[in-house]
This record gives sequence, C-alpha cells and structure tokens, in this order.
Amino acid sequence: RKEVEQDPGPFNVPEGATVAFNCTYSNSASQSFFWYRQDCRKEPKLLMSVYSSGNEDGRFTAQLNRASQYISLLIRDSKLSDSATYLCVVNPGGYQKVTFGTGTKLQVIP
Amino acid sequence: EPEVTQTPSHQVTQMGQEVILRCVPISNHLYFYWYRQILGQKVEFLVSFYNNEISEKSEIFDDQFSVERPDGSNFTLKIRSTKLEDSAMYFCASSEALLGYEKLFFGSGTQLSVL
Repeated sequence: RKEVEQDPGPFNVPEGATVAFNCTYSNSASQSFFWYRQDCRKEPKLLMSVYSSGNEDGRFTAQLNRASQYISLLIRDSKLSDSATYLCVVNPGGYQKVTFGTGTKLQVIP
Repeated sequence: EPEVTQTPSHQVTQMGQEVILRCVPISNHLYFYWYRQILGQKVEFLVSFYNNEISEKSEIFDDQFSVERPDGSNFTLKIRSTKLEDSAMYFCASSEALLGYEKLFFGSGTQLSVL
C-alpha cells in the first residue's frame, strides 16, 4: 500500500456542484494531515489542516477517519477558480518532513 | 504575507555540471526544506535542515546533493554533477517550528533542466 494514495482524477464538475475527494494513508501512527492546493506549474499552498473533529472553512470541509485511515475534502458550490490539483499531505509524526499524495485534479466547467 | 523566494526561476545546465539553487526562507522561520517534483509526478521530500545541520534526508538525497546556509538569510541546494533524471521543479520551503500542525511555506520553485 502506498504511503499516501489519491485518485488522480480528473474530476470534471459543473460550476455550483459539490465534489468530494478522498485520500488514504498507510501509517496508522500518522499525526497530522493537510490539504494543499497546487495550480499548474506552481508551488503547493496550504488549503487547510485536517483535525480529528473535522473542520470547515467557507465552502471547504475536511474530515479525518482514523479507523479507516482516510481523509476527505468536500468542496461545495464549486467555482471556476477551484480548478487545480488537490494534494493530500500526511505527517507521520516526530519527523521533519511530510509525505505528499500524487494529487487529485479538479476541473470546474462553466 | 511573508514569502519564500527562490532564484533562479529556471536553470538549464549540461549533464555533469554543478548547479546551485538558492532560497531565502521567511526570516523568523527555523526549519528549512527542499522538495522536488518531476513533471507529472508527486512532490518528493529531499532534505530538512535545522540549527545549521541536516536533520533528515531521503534516499534521493545522495552524495551528489548538499545543502548549506552560508549566511543568515540564504539556504542553498547544490547538485555536484547533474544527471538527466535530476530535471525537475525544485521547491524550497520553510516552517516556523517543527512540522506537526505547522504550515509549510513554499517558494515558487526553480525549474531545472539537465540536457
């Protein structure tokens, strides 16, 4: 099993739609989790951290399921500007590095 | 918002040549990193640096690679003898504290092309 696994997509959705991505991780001792956004040929930028209780930031909701070892990202009311690759990022804990998933590509269509 | 700056944005070199990629992390950050991303692939960890020494490195970071903080602001990645497979986007990043819930700030990257 890969350390961090994501469906590469692409997910093609119309404007206004709700879309959800999942990400699975293999290390059950992983301690912190993030979603980053990466636009084409640009640097990754933190979208949100993922907390055990789940968290919401505007149209974005992140959830963590430790029992099944996955995290999810829900985007409501998709905008054209949401088109990007969404990277699942996991910190195994106690280390000075994080592990990136390969990313899920989202294309929001007018 | 403070930012990590990287130079150059593009570097073209011949196989076997040495290259130095430069980064200026955010001024009050203590932890520095290099990541790379081969076109179409995932972002991969290379090395982390704290208190003027390497704290962790990946299997990619072999003897051809080195890092240095030559002064109080710059953080460099040197590739001694470049190979074709070193062609990638190299991202520098910094964080204020040990990664846990800390945010990683990335620079805009240096696209390295080895011919």
